[in-house]
Amino acid sequence: DTEVTQTPKHLVMGMTNKKSLKCEQHMGHRAMYWYKQKAKKPPELMFVYSYEKLSINESVPSRFSPECPNSSLLNLHLHALQPEDSALYLCASSSDRGEYEQYFGPGTRLTVT
Amino acid sequence: GENVEQHPSTLSVQEGDSAVIKCTYSDSASNYFPWYKQELGKRPQLIIDIRSNVGEKKDQRIAVTLNKTAKHFSLHITETQPEDSAVYFCAASIGNQGGKLIFGQGTELSVKP
Repeated sequence: DTEVTQTPKHLVMGMTNKKSLKCEQHMGHRAMYWYKQKAKKPPELMFVYSYEKLSINESVPSRFSPECPNSSLLNLHLHALQPEDSALYLCASSSDRGEYEQYFGPGTRLTVT
Repeated sequence: GENVEQHPSTLSVQEGDSAVIKCTYSDSASNYFPWYKQELGKRPQLIIDIRSNVGEKKDQRIAVTLNKTAKHFSLHITETQPEDSAVYFCAASIGNQGGKLIFGQGTELSVKP
């Protein structure tokens, strides 16, 4: 399997809801990433996990909570989001942390109402 | 802080013409420079990358050049086709933060048949 997969594809949630985004890869990659992308803008890094440990948090608000249950899975737990958090959330993976090719999943289109 | 400037923001060419997109980076410790193509509603797709020990790399109709002294790198697409129409993002690694990429603002390429 040479792909990064993400579920769900679309998510609409209210500001009081709790939801989770899921990302999976079976390429044996040891680094996984969460990015946020607004329309017509580049991806913005949120979190980096290396060997299942959080290695970079780009000062992301605590209403976003990442989790890496194992080397193939990455979750992003969402709680009390704001409408401005509406965006495309992309997961990526690379063989290791560092200057390696990052492969993106298809993203979850999140709308906060 | 570190940044990557990308020009032009929009580029329109006739099918069969060449297209050139240029990026300038600020971190002298950057060693890895990927290019991503993102079609509307799809994931960013890695199309080519270059490392600092190489000045040029080619893959069929796509080439990337790197000038480390001037801190700039460029994407060249020859014999453009309508399916090359997309947003292209350059990126540069951050030297002391393994796995972190800084993206340019993107170039919207339109290839007219």
